[in-house]
Amino acid sequence: DSGVTQTPKHLITATGQRVTLRCSPRSGDLSVYWYQQSLDQGLQFLIQYYNGEERAKGNILERFSAQQFPDLHSELNLSSLELGDSALYFCASSATGTGPNKYFGPGTRLTVT
Amino acid sequence: GQQVMQIPQYQHVQEGEDFTTYCNSSTTLSNIQWYKQRPGGHPVFLIQLVKSGEVKKQKRLTFQFGEAKKNSSLHITATQTTDVGTYFCAGGTMDSNYQLIWGAGTKLIIKP
Repeated sequence: DSGVTQTPKHLITATGQRVTLRCSPRSGDLSVYWYQQSLDQGLQFLIQYYNGEERAKGNILERFSAQQFPDLHSELNLSSLELGDSALYFCASSATGTGPNKYFGPGTRLTVT
Repeated sequence: GQQVMQIPQYQHVQEGEDFTTYCNSSTTLSNIQWYKQRPGGHPVFLIQLVKSGEVKKQKRLTFQFGEAKKNSSLHITATQTTDVGTYFCAGGTMDSNYQLIWGAGTKLIIKP
């Protein structure tokens, strides 16, 4: 158990819909990272937050947005969903904004039908 | 943009054989990290290398960071079934906006 929690574990929704994925970092970790992993593919970095502020942005679509709240949990919002958005979404946390993403959550599996 | 190329994409080995995966960056890195993802699991951090020419060992795993800090390798001696999974490298950039640039991963498959 990494100490990073993600909810929900599974999500099935239809094209055009909007969903919110939630991540709670390890206690004391200030930085949260979001990744997308399509079936049998590598990890695509989406976005990083550090202590409530956006720190780095990867290949995140305009239909996707994220935020980190004062209690340090983070939410990833995916809208106007397409079939190609079906993937595993991982959240990772670290104590600082640099260095390894030491702790990954179990992921949320999103299926768009 | 900055890229980290990782090869091979797959490697099939007999149990007991060795396994190696390589990462090459288009730019000099501040550090390199290695992660393992078991089938159906999430990535697990293995190690971080920071110094030029650094070599670290974890039991049967040997990690190297090149002298120019642009390449790295992970070598597993005498693979076991527990080694099955995908191994990812991730390079930390040197610019002011620190980011991790991920390799595509190498999947280790043990032949039955």
